[in-house]
This record gives sequence, structure tokens and C-alpha cells, in this order.
Amino acid sequence: GEDVEQSLFLSVREGDSSVINCTYTDSSSTYLYWYKQEPGAGLQLLTYIFSNMDMKQDQRLTVLLNKKDKHLSLRIADTQTGDSAIYFCADVSGNTPLVFGKGTRLSVIA
Amino acid sequence: SQTIHQWPATLVQPVGSPLSLECTVEGTSNPNLYWYRQAAGRGLQLLFYSVGIGQISSEVPQNLSASRPQDRQFILSSKKLLLSDSGFYLCAWTTTPAAEAFFGQGTRLTVV
Repeated sequence: GEDVEQSLFLSVREGDSSVINCTYTDSSSTYLYWYKQEPGAGLQLLTYIFSNMDMKQDQRLTVLLNKKDKHLSLRIADTQTGDSAIYFCADVSGNTPLVFGKGTRLSVIA
Repeated sequence: SQTIHQWPATLVQPVGSPLSLECTVEGTSNPNLYWYRQAAGRGLQLLFYSVGIGQISSEVPQNLSASRPQDRQFILSSKKLLLSDSGFYLCAWTTTPAAEAFFGQGTRLTVV
């Protein structure tokens, strides 16, 4: 079945850029999402990209999509301590529910 | 505006006891509803989803069941809890399967 893979941990210094990577297997994905989960809470949508786009920028966030390699990345510029959280990549195609990766725990060191 | 309520926030239950977690959505009709479980190091596992009243799809065979007695109500149940049922349970809804998912605040279940 569909699979979404992410590295589990990332540690960066405050002010640096963070890059969180994700790979997926479904070649018919229509949307790809990044969700953020703060401790003890549910997930919130951070940003998304249509599968026919290569890049999307939203303030400090940049999403890059390499559809050929089925690779998605999220870059957070000027990372702050408030960005510490778990980030989930997810994709969807057709009428099937969202498939999430295992999540990347981002730790920001002051 | 739409809101999603999930309760209780935390629950400690003995092995073999029953379980009932409830999720309700307000401000929308005919939502797609989902139950996910989040276990440490295992990410989000889709347990059940429903596209309408009485329609439940199960993704993972297990000790749990789900029901949708009303349009905006989704219930996760178990007759006898196992230790392996411990985890963080999240309810979510979407307007369509491909749309943004809105999550509840989650229930931390510890089976002892």
C-alpha cells in the first residue's frame, strides 16, 4: 500500500534554516501536506502543495516537490524555539484518506 | 465556524475494561470522519473512517470498533482493552477525503 517516509529527528540552532524531508510512493498523489503537532495536541495544517507544482512559499515556509523522485521537503527559514514540534508529511489521491508519515521531531536549540 | 470536540482528554483504564471515546463536529454537515492512533515512534495510524452515517471503513484489524450513530458524531469503542491499545487517539474531519483535515485535541489512553 501507500507509504510515506520521514526521518524521525532533526535538531537545529535558533536562527538557522530547518529542512525536513519526506518521500512517498503513490504516483497519483494529488495534494501533499505538511502538518504541525505541538506537545499534547492535535495536528494543524501548516501548508500544502498541489502535485502539479514544484515550489510553494509562504512567509518563512518553503515547500519543494520533486514529483519524479517522489520527494517533498519543508524548509523553515530563521527557525525559532516556537517551531519546536513534530512535523508530519501526508499525501492524498482520489477518495482515499490521508496517509501520514511517522513525523519528524524538530528540536530548536537556543 | 466549524469546531471538533473530542473527549475525554486523558483516560487510564485497566486491561479488560471497555472503552468509549466520543468525537463530535459542529458547524458542518456530512463530514468525513476519522479515528487515528499515534503510538510513540510509529506516527499516525488510520484506524477507521466514515463517509456517512452507519458507513465505517476499518483500516487495521484490531481490538477496536467504531460507530457513527449521527451525522456529526463518531465513537471509538472496545469491549476489552489490551495493554497494546495504549496511545494517543485523534479524531479528525474533512469535507472531502482530499481536503484539509481538522483534528481534535486528542485523548491520551493508558491501559494498565
